[in-house]
Amino acid sequence: QVYMVESGGGVVQPGVSLRLSCAASGFDVSSHGMHWVRQSPGKGLEFVALMWAHGRDQNYADSVKGRFTISRDIPKNTVYLQMNNLRAEDTAVYYCGRDLAYGALDFRGQGTLVTVSS
Amino acid sequence: QSALTQPPSASGSPGQSVTISCTGIRSDVGAYDYVSWYQHHPGKAPKLMLYEVAKRPSGVPDRFSGSKSGNTASLTVSGLQAEDEADYYCSAYTLSDNFEVFGGGTKLTVL
Repeated sequence: QVYMVESGGGVVQPGVSLRLSCAASGFDVSSHGMHWVRQSPGKGLEFVALMWAHGRDQNYADSVKGRFTISRDIPKNTVYLQMNNLRAEDTAVYYCGRDLAYGALDFRGQGTLVTVSS
Repeated sequence: QSALTQPPSASGSPGQSVTISCTGIRSDVGAYDYVSWYQHHPGKAPKLMLYEVAKRPSGVPDRFSGSKSGNTASLTVSGLQAEDEADYYCSAYTLSDNFEVFGGGTKLTVL
């Protein structure tokens, strides 16, 4: 059975950092591209970051480039999203998903809520 | 503003068919046949319904079908059922560094 469980969200003030985790089981995170996608309140889904399966490349949305970093720990089969200098507009539910084929994403978790507010 | 344009809402009666459009540009929807559709019930994980325009993952009913023409992709739900009521999002692989773009979502209501 494939599982992906997101965690690490919370309520933080603008400017602080947070690290999200996506613990996977039933497959190897090194065998798939792994994405972070978010949904802000009342808005649609938005691509945030991608770690390619080979691990040598990452892609980021323009809105988070330079502030967010995606990484993975293969022995722990976990993907991370380090979020620095958080802004109010980063408030969202963050989902991780595995890439089945050129952006066809398999999501399994309910996401983790990040609220950035002073 | 989302990169892909979807109608904010769509509706149909049980048993009817409804089609949701997803319009992009030449460098995303128009570039490759890498368009996906997701069903999202609030509070749950988005569910992949179609990928590569018209392919259905295992377990997705054949009532869901997809097509693409130029820069516009479409999702058709035939034989509407109450459980089809949800938000639907399209996404497309893009030639830009962003890798993929999503539509703004369409709220499907089963009357």
